[in-house]
Amino acid sequence: QKEVEQNSGPLSVPEGAIASLNCTYSDRGSQSFFWYRQYSGKSPELIMFIYSNGDKEDGRFTAQLNKASQYVSLLIRDSQPSDSATYLCAVTLGPGSARQLTFGSGTQLTVLP
Amino acid sequence: DAGVTQSPTHLIKTRGQQVTLRCSPISGHKSVSWYQQVLGQGPQFIFQYYEKEERGRGNFPDRFSARQFPNYSSELNVNALLLGDSALYLCASSLQQGGNIQYFGAGTRLSVL
Repeated sequence: QKEVEQNSGPLSVPEGAIASLNCTYSDRGSQSFFWYRQYSGKSPELIMFIYSNGDKEDGRFTAQLNKASQYVSLLIRDSQPSDSATYLCAVTLGPGSARQLTFGSGTQLTVLP
Repeated sequence: DAGVTQSPTHLIKTRGQQVTLRCSPISGHKSVSWYQQVLGQGPQFIFQYYEKEERGRGNFPDRFSARQFPNYSSELNVNALLLGDSALYLCASSLQQGGNIQYFGAGTRLSVL
């Protein structure tokens, strides 16, 4: 079982719609959760992080964390063509792990004009 | 302020050769981590350095080594290159070892022929 799993997609949504990206993780000791956006040929760019159960909003982005169910999601409201990218979910595991990031394989999102 | 800088941007090597990749962290950041990202996958953790000491190592062979210098810059060395080492190598810096927020450089694209 992979430590961090994401649907690879591609996920297509029309412009202006809500895009919903999901991620599950296997280690209950996971402490911190991140969403990175990666455009083709570029490096990952941090867009959201969340540490506690519940929702965290930043502009058009909302991260949701449910530790009991071991999933974290990212909602993108009013999706724009410029949001088309691969979205990487990453977690840091429990103590002793040097706080390395463990990534999923990413979900490719396409926003259609 | 400058972000994480990596050099070179692109590199072409042949099998069996050795390569050195360089990274300068964000000013004030003391921790550097290295990741390997092959096409279609999320980044995989290779090393973390903090205060010039190795603080974490991923599941990579001994052909991979790294070090951190007094100015917190870092080098990643890969010996006896294999075709499978072709990837995007990413450097990330964070404020401290336990500092969860990692910011990535633009990466070095390594092609092994």
